Amino acid sequence: VQLLESGGGLVQPGGSLRLSCAASGFTFSSYTMSWVRQAPGKGLEWVAHVTPDGRQQWYADSVKGRFTGSRDNSKNTLFLQINNLRAEDTAVYYCARDGIPYNGIYDAFDIWGQGTMVTVSS
Amino acid sequence: EIVLTQSPGTLSLSPGERATLSCRASQSVSSSYLAWYQQKPGQAPRLLIYGASSRATGIPDRFGGSGSGTDFTLTISRLEPEDFAVYYCQRYGSSPPLTFGGGTKVEIK
Repeated sequence: VQLLESGGGLVQPGGSLRLSCAASGFTFSSYTMSWVRQAPGKGLEWVAHVTPDGRQQWYADSVKGRFTGSRDNSKNTLFLQINNLRAEDTAVYYCARDGIPYNGIYDAFDIWGQGTMVTVSS
Repeated sequence: EIVLTQSPGTLSLSPGERATLSCRASQSVSSSYLAWYQQKPGQAPRLLIYGASSRATGIPDRFGGSGSGTDFTLTISRLEPEDFAVYYCQRYGSSPPLTFGGGTKVEIK
């Protein structure tokens, strides 16, 4: 069971990025998937999650309207489109899996990727 | 939105000692949907406890969780060298946001 993020990098304020999270070793289409970020030297912040069919997404207030979560179950991949980037979006972005297949309740995160770093700077 | 407050911010202890970490919620956490994670420098978080008191797969029994409602505790019965890390609580369940506490750092005294 593995999650592997990619797509991070250095971007100017106002720019955009698309992060990806490739899943393997489990039935990806059965699990709600989340994005969690961690600014340098700071704590964890839940950012977004996407239900197994991709039809429902929830976002933290701090990113609502700028971040869009989606998934391609045929490719076992989760995405996070980040627009209008700000300095305060600088962080390591982790994808994480709910601990149980979705049953209407969002679970604790039992599998995490290694993270991808996003740096917003001019 | 439920806010989770962790205390203390830093806990300075010696190997072999007992660690008691607190997580207080601003509103009752339904069905004890409260998790604890451990994070070491440069690593992703690791799930320790879910449902307030159930250990995740592979977690040693020196880690224990307790509490309900608004007050939750993570106890490490005897600190091992590998337990010095930052610990986060998280509320999950049916209604996002799935908030994290600010973290408690357990450091070597």
